[in-house]
Amino acid sequence: DGGITQSPKYLFRKEGQNVTLSCEQNLNHDAMYWYRQDPGQGLRLIYYSQIVNDFQKGDIAEGYSVSREKKESFPLTVTSAQKNPTAFYLCASRDRGVRAFFGQGTRLTVV
Amino acid sequence: AQKITQTQPGMFVQEKEAVTLDCTYDTSDPSYGLFWYKQPSSGEMIFLIYQGSYDQQNATEGRYSLNFQKARKSANLVISASQLGDSAMYFCAMREGPGNYGQNFVFGPGTRLSVLP
Repeated sequence: DGGITQSPKYLFRKEGQNVTLSCEQNLNHDAMYWYRQDPGQGLRLIYYSQIVNDFQKGDIAEGYSVSREKKESFPLTVTSAQKNPTAFYLCASRDRGVRAFFGQGTRLTVV
Repeated sequence: AQKITQTQPGMFVQEKEAVTLDCTYDTSDPSYGLFWYKQPSSGEMIFLIYQGSYDQQNATEGRYSLNFQKARKSANLVISASQLGDSAMYFCAMREGPGNYGQNFVFGPGTRLSVLP
């Protein structure tokens, strides 16, 4: 079945550690997105990529980094520079059509 | 500046009644798309309905319809015959620019809908 897979579902990070969230899609979509969602809040755009080897900062890119070496993959690294990383992270992709498809999300907690 | 505004943090509706969730948007691009997503407590984002800026008719998908008023820059979601399973967060979103490019895709703050038995 085609779709977007995010892993892991739950992730715990110690203070000062970098962690990488995985996002893989087999929908052959060009554009991919990373969003952060805090409890009871909307989605805020971290980074997006329109094409392989290209990506753009969203509204809250500080403390995060991404890569897009393959069309299928758009991993997000939460660096130690992100002072408050505890949140729910959603990855999405869309093609030239209408809708964006979302993964199931990764819940990151700092311990 | 906020591109998507949802002024209702929470809404209640009686089962089987209709409910309207408000969304206003801000863009200077003549080509854009408007979306509504549902997010149940599990966290997944479920696509509900889409309206293109050049679409002449309001979009409908089953019990969902989008009341698109272009001059007022509003794209309200109407849910008819509410069901208990409709209780969730609802997000309005906008894509600016033509759909064949992967532009920025922004979301509003959401409205929490609670359906009462």
